[in-house]
Amino acid sequence: EVQLVESGGGLVQPGGSLKLSCAASGFTLSGSSMHWVRQASGKGLEWVGRIRSKTSNYATEYAASVKGRFTISRDDSKNTAYLQVNSLKAEDTAVYYCARHGPWDGLDVWGQGTTVTVSS
Amino acid sequence: DIQMTQSPSSLSASVGDRVTITCRASQSIGSYLNWYQQKAEKAPKFLIYAASSLQSGVPSRFSGSGSGTDFTLTIISLQPEDFATYYCQQSYTTPPTFGQGTKVEIK
Repeated sequence: EVQLVESGGGLVQPGGSLKLSCAASGFTLSGSSMHWVRQASGKGLEWVGRIRSKTSNYATEYAASVKGRFTISRDDSKNTAYLQVNSLKAEDTAVYYCARHGPWDGLDVWGQGTTVTVSS
Repeated sequence: DIQMTQSPSSLSASVGDRVTITCRASQSIGSYLNWYQQKAEKAPKFLIYAASSLQSGVPSRFSGSGSGTDFTLTIISLQPEDFATYYCQQSYTTPPTFGQGTKVEIK
């Protein structure tokens, strides 16, 4: 079964950091671009960023709201993608999803999400 | 950034109804338009890519159409499991952006 499982969320103080993980199973991560999307409680979906595959030199792109604070990486040998979140603000509180870029287009596989709460 | 605007924001419908959701882009995006379904407390599910292509495993009562700036998602004969929030998303340019969502509720 093709699956993504996120982990690493939690409660963190403003200004703090976390590293979220996205473990893939049932497919090889190396051939896919991987995205992170977040959703604040009761709100819509917000794209956070993307890391492309090795063939695209692992290029990364970020939303303006997180650029310079968040970093996406991947370890294809572990079939895992990561989202390092630094300098966290209250407005970063959300469920964070990782998702695979599908072979044709769109985000075709999603994880169950991991919750990040930024509060003192 | 390209803005995606969905209408309506919510609607009430009955089982068996035909439902149409509209998504408008702030500039032309060709056919780079995807649709997702999200149920409460669950991850989004991918429904349609390239405006009108049904993702494998998605029931044929779902269909998408449009190009340029105006797109629609249609559900013919709404089923109980279709009550959810639906999002459009453009993949024409970075950053990919989502509509605000359309919540389909039981009438």
